[in-house]
Amino acid sequence: DAGITQSPRHKVTETGTPVTLRCHQTENHRYMYWYRQDPGHGLRLIHYSYGVKDTDKGEVSDGYSVSRSKTEDFLLTLESATSSQTSVYFCAISSDWLANTGELFFGEGSRLTVL
Amino acid sequence: KNEVEQSPQNLTAQEGEFITINCSYSVGISALHWLQQHPGGGIVSLFMLSSGKKKHGRLIATINIQEKHSSLHITASHPRDSAVYICALPSYNTDKLIFGTGTRLQVFP
Repeated sequence: DAGITQSPRHKVTETGTPVTLRCHQTENHRYMYWYRQDPGHGLRLIHYSYGVKDTDKGEVSDGYSVSRSKTEDFLLTLESATSSQTSVYFCAISSDWLANTGELFFGEGSRLTVL
Repeated sequence: KNEVEQSPQNLTAQEGEFITINCSYSVGISALHWLQQHPGGGIVSLFMLSSGKKKHGRLIATINIQEKHSSLHITASHPRDSAVYICALPSYNTDKLIFGTGTRLQVFP
């Protein structure tokens, strides 16, 4: 199994509070992605990273920010959580862009509930 | 038209049956991934393939890049195969990873 872990796995928070989700990998893969999964929408890309301090927006980036200060860690921050951000968040990693030639690995997911 | 379509959306089977899940797409790709997600669980990568066929245990995945079609087969299905199966396509047309909507499989003893 690929070495990719997410924390926390479950979190309940209140509207307006900041939340940070952490993705940690031991594969030394260059590319890291944050997705959210919602019923009826499947997996949607929030932000991605193509190297240390190199990040960019995905299709649903509003209300989220990311940081990658080390190869192994990719943080997703909700500055002020809203109920619409209640979701399951998945981190993914790949050795090449979009896993065109290499494997794609996912974390176990972080279930976030915003009350 | 959706860029990727999976069929069927839902599938029920009796233990031991042969299962086929299909993924058809309209974008240009050089590879395709099959993923598995158990209820309430994480997402596991089953296969990455760019041509032909791959086999892992009771799972077989095939792809025809020219016909823009891939299939995932499960032989001698078992209740523990019950999960959602998702195809994921790195599209060089759109420069993004496109996910199918998933096929929910339930295998009954």
